[in-house]
Amino acid sequence: DAEITQSPRHKITETGRQVTLACHQTWNHNNMFWYRQDLGHGLRLIHYSYGVHDTNKGEVSDGYSVSRSNTEDLPLTLESAASSQTSVYFCASSENPGQVNSYEQYFGPGTRLTVT
Amino acid sequence: AQTVTQSQPEMSVQEAETVTLSCTYDTSESDYYLFWYKQPPSRQMILVIRQEAYKQQNATENRFSVNFQKAAKSFSLKISDSQLGDAAMYFCAYRSAGNTPLVFGKGTRLSVIA
Repeated sequence: DAEITQSPRHKITETGRQVTLACHQTWNHNNMFWYRQDLGHGLRLIHYSYGVHDTNKGEVSDGYSVSRSNTEDLPLTLESAASSQTSVYFCASSENPGQVNSYEQYFGPGTRLTVT
Repeated sequence: AQTVTQSQPEMSVQEAETVTLSCTYDTSESDYYLFWYKQPPSRQMILVIRQEAYKQQNATENRFSVNFQKAAKSFSLKISDSQLGDAAMYFCAYRSAGNTPLVFGKGTRLSVIA
């Protein structure tokens, strides 16, 4: 069955370190998204991609970067981790409009990141 | 930019009773989708129900139904015959008809009392 996975599921890192969170989907979806979830804020968009070599900034992109070298993966990099980036991170993917079930985003299980 | 507002941070309901979660949104677009997602303690995001803005009929999925008021920009979720497994965080979300990301509300934590 197709799925979307994230790794690691939990990570603790120190302030100033570079951290990369992996997201891998086997749906063959063109669209991929990164959100962060914080208490009292819901889910907020960090970056998104509509296809290979395409990336776009979201609402809270400062301090984060993404790159899309293939359809399946959209890694999220924290260039220099800060305590304010302690959060739960969700990756999601969706099909292009006009395709079956294109309205739905499929979410990964999330990564809990703690920056100490 | 579109915004989604959930005015009830927490709600509770007795088992087997009915509860309604509120959501309002702001947009200048005429064609869009609205969603309710459930997030249990496992953190998994589960799509509960969706509504296409061009459809006047309210969506229904088993015990879950919505009251979609397009002119008022309101999209409430009604859960009938509440069960213990319904306890979760519920997020209302908006998406434009084009190829766009979701915009989420801040969520409502629902507790179900046995």
